[in-house]
Amino acid sequence: DAGVIQSPRHEVTEMGQEVTLRCKPISGHNSLFWYRQTMMRGLELLIYFNNNVPIDDSGMPEDRFSAKMPNASFSTLKIQPSEPRDSAVYFCASRPPGTDFSSNQPQHFGDGTRLSIL
Amino acid sequence: SQQGEEDPQALSIQEGENATMNCSYKTSINNLQWYRQNSGRGLVHLILIRSNEREKHSGRLRVTLDTSKKSSSLLITASRAADTASYFCATDEGNNRLAFGKGNQVVVIP
Repeated sequence: DAGVIQSPRHEVTEMGQEVTLRCKPISGHNSLFWYRQTMMRGLELLIYFNNNVPIDDSGMPEDRFSAKMPNASFSTLKIQPSEPRDSAVYFCASRPPGTDFSSNQPQHFGDGTRLSIL
Repeated sequence: SQQGEEDPQALSIQEGENATMNCSYKTSINNLQWYRQNSGRGLVHLILIRSNEREKHSGRLRVTLDTSKKSSSLLITASRAADTASYFCATDEGNNRLAFGKGNQVVVIP
């Protein structure tokens, strides 16, 4: 079975450029999460969607970051303009529906996009 | 926000030995999950223990949960070189999101 697919795997770009990260969740999963991982801050939740609707974007660092989920099989995370401090590994994860509010279901992670802003 | 905190943060053991790591958290939870991350890869779910459970097993993994102490432990028995990875605990507080700890790096020496 295909897992969560992220693209690109690596991205190197100069500061000021627009960066778009892509994610295809596992079919049938109805929640999607975007995380950022750095050595200093660990794994941070940026935003999550439930049934394609953004539920909590309180982790989005600032207005330079935006995320969309136009349909159940695709999501993007965009940074515009990018800055060197945005350099990190960005993960997308999806989760199947659960039977109660907390879901009690695990999240399934992609292999991430390693982003370097010069 | 980061909720779980793993301890120890780095562990080096010989192949065949057992590895134990702990996780503490601050608020009440619905469940606690452990994940493994190999270098350059995404996190992989290992085991989920609900708040009304005290112990759970999966293969060579054993997880305990003490809600009175707000702590959990992950035991890997008969470790293998392939167990070398970072291990994360994550708490589900019932708000449909997980709060991850900073991870616990385990190195198994062949």
